[in-house]
Amino acid sequence: EAQVTQNPRYLITVTGKKLTVTCSQNMNHEYMSWYRQDPGLGLRQIYYSMNVEVTDKGDVPEGYKVSRKEKRNFPLILESPSPNQTSLYFCASSMRTGRDEQFFGPGTRLTVL
Amino acid sequence: GDSVTQMEGPVTLSEEAFLTINCTYTATGYPSLFWYVQYPGEGLQLLLKATKADDKGSNKGFEATYRKETTSFHLEKGSVQVSDSAVYFCALRDSNYQLIWGAGTKLIIKP
Repeated sequence: EAQVTQNPRYLITVTGKKLTVTCSQNMNHEYMSWYRQDPGLGLRQIYYSMNVEVTDKGDVPEGYKVSRKEKRNFPLILESPSPNQTSLYFCASSMRTGRDEQFFGPGTRLTVL
Repeated sequence: GDSVTQMEGPVTLSEEAFLTINCTYTATGYPSLFWYVQYPGEGLQLLLKATKADDKGSNKGFEATYRKETTSFHLEKGSVQVSDSAVYFCALRDSNYQLIWGAGTKLIIKP
């Protein structure tokens, strides 16, 4: 089944404790992206990647890191999480650079205390 | 910069009612326009899209027409069902092929 998977789905952590949210797609998509969703703000792009070893900042990259060592995986790293990073996070992928329909993962709800 | 504005929710309707969710945009050039739907506990799914003026996107009984003169892409459905309860997002694809999102509109359908 073609899908985007994220892990974990739910995470509660404390300020400053490094964490990684994994994202994997099995559709051989070139383009992958991370968004955060906050009430009243819609989705805001954190980082995106047009292919392996190619990443770029989105609208709200501060406090986040990403890597794209393999085509299928695009982990989101919070080196020192803070409470303002409490949010719902979505990973998405598409065939090519933003031109095609984006497929979304189920989301990761992160709470930073 | 480019932006998308959606009507605030939640929108509460009875089953079989007519639905309109307003969406307007500002953009340079001629962006593609999208409606995505997010069912409870799930990720977003593409509902419909339109790539040029006067195009009508349709899917699952929902429709939206790309109106360049009013810079709008309103979502409509003639008879909603309880299963349509979800959050609906309007979005445009800008000249850099990035998606710009509206804030989302929560739709609640009561039996």
